[in-house]
Amino acid sequence: AQSVTQLGSHVSVSEGALVLLRCNYSSSVPPYLFWYVQYPNQGLQLLLKYTSAATLVKGINGFEAEFKKSETSFHLTKPSAHMSDAAEYFCAVRGLKNQGGKLIFGQGTELSVKP
Amino acid sequence: DTAVSQTPKYLVTQMGNDKSIKCEQNLGHDTMYWYKQDSKKFLKIMFSYNNKELIINETVPNRFSPKSPDKAHLNLHINSLELGDSAVYFCASSKGLAGGPDTQYFGPGTRLTVL
Repeated sequence: AQSVTQLGSHVSVSEGALVLLRCNYSSSVPPYLFWYVQYPNQGLQLLLKYTSAATLVKGINGFEAEFKKSETSFHLTKPSAHMSDAAEYFCAVRGLKNQGGKLIFGQGTELSVKP
Repeated sequence: DTAVSQTPKYLVTQMGNDKSIKCEQNLGHDTMYWYKQDSKKFLKIMFSYNNKELIINETVPNRFSPKSPDKAHLNLHINSLELGDSAVYFCASSKGLAGGPDTQYFGPGTRLTVL
């Protein structure tokens, strides 16, 4: 079965510090993986996605993620955190073809940025 | 123009009532979804529709009845509301269906509170 696990429900960094949000996946087929961000009281916005075209994926707002098959990981990074990055981040894997296209989400990681 | 819109944004009601949430997308997508986000921010698929046809019903109680009058709309009707139905409900849409890398675009969410 498809699943993702996000390590750490809450991550706190200082402004200007490296952001690292961890995601590990389990999949019986080559996966399609996504990172979404949710700002308070808003919907989900796509940051980036892995589609097998390249293992290093660049997204919006300076975020990037690297797909590592050997580690079954798709961690999200940003070199320098901004206060505006404070939000909830979700890693997700696309379900199998017979699962109606659903996204299967991790538990989410709340990112706090200290001044 | 908002790509995926939902109404209302907030819904407060009493136990036992019936309520509806409306969703519209102007992206020309074929597939629409309803997700539920619980109080711990965990996101789970409820329904998936493709070209107005129900594709998946993820063990949702039959008090929940989605209706898709056309490809651009997917409404959610809930009968006999219970306290446990309190959550944020997100509508989403994507171009394709079957397990591909298509991005799902999310609406702003409807926060349902059952008293």
